[in-house]
Amino acid sequence: NAGVMQNPRHLVRRRGQEARLRCSPMKGHSHVYWYRQLPEEGLKFMVYLQKENIIDESGMPKERFSAEFPKEGPSILRIQQVVRGDSAAYFCASSPSWTSVHTDTQYFGPGTRLTVL
Amino acid sequence: QKEVEQDPGPLSVPEGAIVSLNCTYSNSAFQYFMWYRQYSRKGPELLMYTYSSGNKEDGRFTAQVDKSSKYISLFIRDSQPSDSATYLCAVNSGAGSYQLTFGKGTKLSVIP
Repeated sequence: NAGVMQNPRHLVRRRGQEARLRCSPMKGHSHVYWYRQLPEEGLKFMVYLQKENIIDESGMPKERFSAEFPKEGPSILRIQQVVRGDSAAYFCASSPSWTSVHTDTQYFGPGTRLTVL
Repeated sequence: QKEVEQDPGPLSVPEGAIVSLNCTYSNSAFQYFMWYRQYSRKGPELLMYTYSSGNKEDGRFTAQVDKSSKYISLFIRDSQPSDSATYLCAVNSGAGSYQLTFGKGTKLSVIP
């Protein structure tokens, strides 16, 4: 059973370009969470999605960031017009759809390391 | 005041030592407490979770929660070089909340 998959693992963008980060949850999971880990900082919650729905985006910056989880395909975290401060590791986690207790069942992917030049 | 405080270390111990890792938190609403292990350049891996106060043991790992002092601990017995990683504590208030609030992590090195 494959774990949470993220790609690309490393992404380099120049200031002003767009970054697209993809996350495929574990098989049987329909809840996806995105977290950002800045250098020397802890993981910070960004957004929680279920299929075709954004449930909570309270941790997302108001501008340039968006997320989706379509009916088919991976979840996408999109960052428009990237700036140097967006350089970080972005982690996706997923949890099963049959439990209402998400807290103990968030499984993390390997992350995408974004570098903005 | 940060919601979760964790000493970043680094912490270096000899192989076989008992390791104690700790976090404090500020919000008494937190009900779920987790420890994740993160190897360099990898994603966090769930090690232990505890609901409310008390102890939980899994092999060489023991998680302890003291809600009265808002203090959570992870003990590693007979530490091994393969335990060298960053350990992250995380908390959650439960009741349908899904946001995990993480500490910054403590970097542990176990020296052979």
